[in-house]
Amino acid sequence: DGGITQSPKYLFRKEGQNVTLSCEQNLNHDAMYWYRQDPGQGLRLIYYSQIVNDFQKGDIAEGYSVSREKKESFPLTVTSAQKNPTAFYLCASSPGQGSGYTFGSGTRLTVV
Amino acid sequence: GQSLEQPSEVTAVEGAIVQINCTYQTSGFYGLSWYQQHDGGAPTFLSYNGLDGLEETGRFSSFLSRSDSYGYLLLQELQMKDSASYFCAADNTNAGKSTFGDGTTLTVKP
Repeated sequence: DGGITQSPKYLFRKEGQNVTLSCEQNLNHDAMYWYRQDPGQGLRLIYYSQIVNDFQKGDIAEGYSVSREKKESFPLTVTSAQKNPTAFYLCASSPGQGSGYTFGSGTRLTVV
Repeated sequence: GQSLEQPSEVTAVEGAIVQINCTYQTSGFYGLSWYQQHDGGAPTFLSYNGLDGLEETGRFSSFLSRSDSYGYLLLQELQMKDSASYFCAADNTNAGKSTFGDGTTLTVKP
């Protein structure tokens, strides 16, 4: 079955540490997205990519980085510059405008 | 900037009908999407309105009025499993990215 796989499901980060969240899709979608969700709030866009080797900053890109070397993969790195990284991170893909997003099951990141 | 407003909480009884409203202020508006998210889970896509009017998908319907910058999600024959958060999202003409509202928590009571 096609879908989006995010790993790990839970991740703990120490202060000053960089961590990378994995996102893989086998839906053959061109566009991929990373959103952050804080408790009781909506989703805020971190980065998005319409095509391989190209990506754009979203509304809250500071302290994050991404790469898009393959169509299937869109990993997100949370750097030490992100001062409040504890959140639920959601990766999504879409075949095109008006088709909605397919989301992965998410990664819960906690700073310890 | 872009912003969407929706009620924070709605409560209804099983079998009833509930409407969740969404008003938006966005530039480059392309269409309005709705998502359902159960507690602890990922959002799932429910519906999309690119044109004015009503779209029906089973027990769920969604409506858009571009002139009023307004839309709603209508849930009929409510079931306990419909208890979840519902998000409206404005699709932007730029790269298909979406801006999400803060969500409406629907509680269905017996």
